[in-house]
Amino acid sequence: DAGVTQSPTHLIKTRGQHVTLRCSPISGHKSVSWYQQVLGQGPQFIFQYYEKEERGRGNFPDRFSARQFPNYSSELNVNALLLGDSALYLCASSLVRENTQYFGPGTRLTVL
Amino acid sequence: GQQLNQSPQSMFIQEGEDVSMNCTSSSIFNTWLWYKQDPGEGPVLLIALYKAGELTSNGRLTAQFGITRKDSFLNISASIPSDVGIYFCALVNTGNQFYFGTGTSLTVIP
Repeated sequence: DAGVTQSPTHLIKTRGQHVTLRCSPISGHKSVSWYQQVLGQGPQFIFQYYEKEERGRGNFPDRFSARQFPNYSSELNVNALLLGDSALYLCASSLVRENTQYFGPGTRLTVL
Repeated sequence: GQQLNQSPQSMFIQEGEDVSMNCTSSSIFNTWLWYKQDPGEGPVLLIALYKAGELTSNGRLTAQFGITRKDSFLNISASIPSDVGIYFCALVNTGNQFYFGTGTSLTVIP
């Protein structure tokens, strides 16, 4: 079975722009979570979505938003990009929201 | 916020040696997870622990959930070059927020 997939793999944006990152969970998984991983640090939790509703939120500004679609895929949106938003953005899926998570390869975002 | 301390920060070992790393938290949790991350890739789940005192193995990897529910360790026996990477512990709280440790970078010298 295919694992978690994310697109694009790499992205370069400039300050102030908007970005949309996409994630497709493992087939049968209904929960998707998003993480930001800055170089040299562990992943930081941004959001968790389950059954198309936000079920958990980390300490990130309102510039970060997400949604989950009926097929359980998800998008992460970041507005008004800052240099500090440069990071690896990871998506993880799980069968239900309490279950252990399986990660995708990530999207490398560079903000210039 | 939740404090999750992972040690050591980095390790350099000879191939064939055993490795031990640990995580401690400032609060009690019900689930401990251990992940490995290779450069440019997402973390891969190694072991999940759900009960205090639980000891679980996955091949050469063994992890234990501490009795106090505030700590966990991961051991790797007879290390090989492909064990190189960054190892993270992770926790999830009742509010569905997930916390990752700062990671242990492992280098195996052939």
